[in-house]
Amino acid sequence: SAVISQKPSRDICQRGTSLTIQCQVDSQVTMMFWYRQQPGQSLTLIATANQGSEATYESGFVIDKFPISRPNLTFSTLTVSNMSPEDSSIYLCSVRSSYEQYFGPGTRLTVT
Amino acid sequence: DQQVKQNSPSLSVQEGRISILNCDYTNSMFDYFLWYKKYPAEGPTFLISISSIKDKNEDGRFTVFLNKSAKHLSLHIVPSQPGDSAVYFCAAVSVRGSQGNLIFGKGTKLSVKP
Repeated sequence: SAVISQKPSRDICQRGTSLTIQCQVDSQVTMMFWYRQQPGQSLTLIATANQGSEATYESGFVIDKFPISRPNLTFSTLTVSNMSPEDSSIYLCSVRSSYEQYFGPGTRLTVT
Repeated sequence: DQQVKQNSPSLSVQEGRISILNCDYTNSMFDYFLWYKKYPAEGPTFLISISSIKDKNEDGRFTVFLNKSAKHLSLHIVPSQPGDSAVYFCAAVSVRGSQGNLIFGKGTKLSVKP
């Protein structure tokens, strides 16, 4: 399994601002994923980030709102742009190893 | 339209007894299933998985059963312990051809009472 860390672990942000979440993995991985878990909901995939190519976004998520960087095989960032209270959520970084998928501890974002 | 459903939002079990968490899916293309456990303020932790070529997979106190004809899987925890109290997510994926993305259920909150 992979060890995944995320920064920050939590933040409270004002409406209209942006927050960048960092994800670091202890081994090189091809595919990294960003998920969101809104209160009382399941985990929803935002986008898949492969090193050296543009991220692939799921329906309902766009690059302007959630830009992603993937500069190397162990690191990725997700930015939540122009935040609104509806963006309050837990954001999770994830990597895949064989058929199993592993998650970071999450970033709890509250937008006021 | 939910492809993976966990119809019980919560379950309460006495310590030492069996916990049974259920999950239903609608997409017949799913061929690999996973269970995750999530504590508050932590990310989901991979627990156990099963391929569609099997109907049972066991790992210590945890057993997952798969009924493909019913499109149903269940996670059995026996004996249940207070430390098992967490939210359990069922997830499914189609690995035939290029790997698809995990689809998660909404989770079942398990409370194990001492």
